[in-house]
Amino acid sequence: GENVEQHPSTLSVQEGDSAVIKCTYSDSASNYFPWYKQELGKRPQLIIDIRSNVGEKKDQRIAVTLNKTAKHFSLHITETQPEDSAVYFCAASRGGYQKVTFGIGTKLQVIP
Amino acid sequence: DVKVTQSSRYLVKRTGEKVFLECVQDMDHENMFWYRQDPGLGLRLIYFSYDVKMKEKGDIPEGYSVSREKKERFSLILESASTNQTSMYLCASRSSESYTFGSGTRLTVV
Repeated sequence: GENVEQHPSTLSVQEGDSAVIKCTYSDSASNYFPWYKQELGKRPQLIIDIRSNVGEKKDQRIAVTLNKTAKHFSLHITETQPEDSAVYFCAASRGGYQKVTFGIGTKLQVIP
Repeated sequence: DVKVTQSSRYLVKRTGEKVFLECVQDMDHENMFWYRQDPGLGLRLIYFSYDVKMKEKGDIPEGYSVSREKKERFSLILESASTNQTSMYLCASRSSESYTFGSGTRLTVV
C-alpha cells in the first residue's frame, strides 16, 4: 500500500519568513496530492491540492510543487502570518474514490 | 457547505464499556470514513464505507466496528473500550476527492 512520509514534524518560523513542508510517497500510481490545514481545536480543511499532470500550483501565499520522478511534493508558504500556525497534513491517493493516505502532520508555529 | 456533525465533542468512558461515536453528513455523500488522530502518528484510517450497509477495514480496525444503516449516518463502535483507545476521533465524508471532516470527538477511556 501507499506510504507517505512527512517532515519536519515541527517547524517554527518568524512572521514574514517562508515555510516549507516536504512529503514523499511510495506508490508510483498515486496522482492526487491534497494538503489539509488543522488549526488548534478545529477540523482539518483542504487548502490546496495538485495532480500528477501538473508540476506546481499556487494560491496566493501558498504553493505546492510535485516531482513525480523523485516521488516527492512540497508545500510552500510565503510571507507567513500568525494565522498560518496550524498542523498541516499532506496526503496521496490514486485519485477518484481511491483510498487517501495521510502523512503524520507538521506543526507550524509562526512567531510574531 | 457540507456539514459533517459528530454528536459529542468530549466523551469519557470506563474500560470495558461499549461506546458509540456518531457521525452525520447532510450532503448525500456516499463515502464516509473514521480516523483516529494521535500525536506523532497523524491520521490513521479505522474503517470506511462506500455506501449504505457497506464497510471496509482501514489500517487499524482492531477493537472497532462500524454501522452504516442510512446514507447520512456512520457510526463507530468500540465493543469494549480500552485505555489505548483514548484518542481524538475524526469522521469525514466525500463526494469527490476532497474530504470534509467533522470537528472530532475526544474520547478518554479511564
